[in-house]
Amino acid sequence: AQSVAQPEDQVNVAEGNPLTVKCTYSVSGNPYLFWYVQYPNRGLQFLLKYITGDNLVKGSYGFEAEFNKSQTSFHLKKPSALVSDSALYFCAVRDDGFQKLVFGTGTRLLVSP
Amino acid sequence: EPEVTQTPSHQVTQMGQEVILRCVPISNHLYFYWYRQILGQKVEFLVSFYNNEISEKSEIFDDQFSVERPDGSNFTLKIRSTKLEDSAMYFCASSVGGSGANVLTFGAGSRLTVL
Repeated sequence: AQSVAQPEDQVNVAEGNPLTVKCTYSVSGNPYLFWYVQYPNRGLQFLLKYITGDNLVKGSYGFEAEFNKSQTSFHLKKPSALVSDSALYFCAVRDDGFQKLVFGTGTRLLVSP
Repeated sequence: EPEVTQTPSHQVTQMGQEVILRCVPISNHLYFYWYRQILGQKVEFLVSFYNNEISEKSEIFDDQFSVERPDGSNFTLKIRSTKLEDSAMYFCASSVGGSGANVLTFGAGSRLTVL
């Protein structure tokens, strides 16, 4: 069965500094990996996904994520954080052949001015 | 940009009552899903629906739950007899395809409060 771990409940970073939100996964087949963001009282918004190919995936709002097969990780990164990036970030994985998308517990990102 | 719409945004009900949550998926999407998020906890898969039948469901999705696509646009989640622990945010989602790299588009959610 597929699973996702987000080891940090909260990440604090100052505006302008780089940010990393960690995610590790477990699947039995080929992983399809996703990052979603949730703003207060809003639904989940898609940021980016990894299917195959380049290990560095670029997404919306300047976010990118690095797929590392040996470490089974898919960390979300941004070179320069904005206060408006403050939100709840979810990593998710889908195992090949399954429809179910499995989410991590979420990491709250707090960017201070 | 096309979006998934959900109604109501918030519903308060008494324990034991039936609740129907409604969703209008994106028009060209073929797969529909319900997820729930209990306050402060992870987003959990409930069910996926394709071609007018359930294609996958989780252990949470027991006989108290049912889904239906009553017409060409709506997708509903019914909870037959609500329990206190059903209090959560319920998200509807849809996607073009049902596996692999297909991206789920989520609605804004329906908050259910069971008293």
